[in-house]
Amino acid sequence: AQSVTQLGSHVSVSEGALVLLRCNYSSSVPPYLFWYVQYPNQGLQLLLKYTSAATLVKGINGFEAEFKKSETSFHLTKPSAHMSDAAEYFCAVTGSSNTGKLIFGQGTTLQVKP
Amino acid sequence: GAVVSQHPSWVICKSGTSVKIECRSLDFQATTMFWYRQFPKQSLMLMATSNEGSKATYEQGVEKDKFLINHASLTLSTLTVTSAHPEDSSFYICSARDPGLNTGELFFGEGSRLTVL
Repeated sequence: AQSVTQLGSHVSVSEGALVLLRCNYSSSVPPYLFWYVQYPNQGLQLLLKYTSAATLVKGINGFEAEFKKSETSFHLTKPSAHMSDAAEYFCAVTGSSNTGKLIFGQGTTLQVKP
Repeated sequence: GAVVSQHPSWVICKSGTSVKIECRSLDFQATTMFWYRQFPKQSLMLMATSNEGSKATYEQGVEKDKFLINHASLTLSTLTVTSAHPEDSSFYICSARDPGLNTGELFFGEGSRLTVL
């Protein structure tokens, strides 16, 4: 079984500051991990994914995440926040590349202050 | 990337009526689609797995007679909310995997906001 915990339901940063959104996972099999972003009244857009290749994953819009097996973590970072980064962010895990369910964390709302 | 489209984006209906939401994979064939429900300020909760040509698999606590799922073709799954009540008001999102990618990634539709009066 898989589960995801996102620490911090709300994160607020200043424009230009570092963004760090935390995600810890639990999985009985080697996991596939994802970060999605959701803007109001829209579906989800993939930011980046870890699929057992490189542990440091780069995604769209300057985001990246590092898979740390020893810490069961997959934290999302961006060196410099933009106002347009304000959105809801979801970490998700699945144990299968093709058939498994995608299990989501609780979500983190990112607020970017001018 | 693969494209998943949902229709309608918004729907308002009277209590007691039924509403159908369509989910289409536009550029790939999806043997499996997933239906999620999202309440305001909350995460996505998996409702059911829609399997082409067979019955859907519902998550625990989801009423299969209330939320009818049909996956009649490799590019279309439908969710019908039967005898809708105000508590069924929510944001419903479908998703699918492109079997040709083998990455586990889900592609999401735009979502459908249901308001039951």
